[in-house]
Amino acid sequence: DTEVTQTPKHLVMGMTNKKSLKCEQHMGHRAMYWYKQKAKKPPELMFVYSYEKLSINESVPSRFSPECPNSSLLNLHLHALQPEDSALYLCASSQAAESSYNSPLHFGNGTRLTVT
Amino acid sequence: SQKIEQNSEALNIQEGKTATLTCNYTNYSPAYLQWYRQDPGRGPVFLLLIRENEKEKRKERLKVTFDTTLKQSLFHITASQPADSATYLCAYGGDSSYKLIFGSGTRLLVRP
Repeated sequence: DTEVTQTPKHLVMGMTNKKSLKCEQHMGHRAMYWYKQKAKKPPELMFVYSYEKLSINESVPSRFSPECPNSSLLNLHLHALQPEDSALYLCASSQAAESSYNSPLHFGNGTRLTVT
Repeated sequence: SQKIEQNSEALNIQEGKTATLTCNYTNYSPAYLQWYRQDPGRGPVFLLLIRENEKEKRKERLKVTFDTTLKQSLFHITASQPADSATYLCAYGGDSSYKLIFGSGTRLLVRP
């Protein structure tokens, strides 16, 4: 088991639905990340939060909306997704984003999202 | 543009042999490289980090090298076991230390 917990493990949603992915860590990390991973591809960075502020948005479509309510929690709100958005969504955390060279990422096991 | 590449999509080896995976980078000089292991349906797990001023790093049966002249990192698993079968990803900090960019990964299969 990892120290980064993601819920739900699996999610099936229609293109008109609104859903949220949740991520929690209790390691005291101050940087949290969302990555998207398609089958047989590497994880692709979507968002980075540093000290609860959004510091990087990798030109992600607005149908994905991140939220960091506090230093332990990270959400990803989903609305009007497309079938091509189906993927494994991974949350990660690290001690501090600005020193990630010596702060490896701790990943959760992801949410497998299917958009129908 | 900055690129990081893992040359082999897949590597099959016999149990007990040494697996060697390659990570090449172009058009920049990363301050560090990280290596992760990913099993199917699970998130990547951090293995080793090596800085540009370090030639070699070891952890149990794992060894990573960093050759800034060749712009290459090699990842070795000695005395490989079937349980080592997984996808191995190298990663570097992009234009910001906030951004960890992953290579395409190498799927390692260790045959009994």
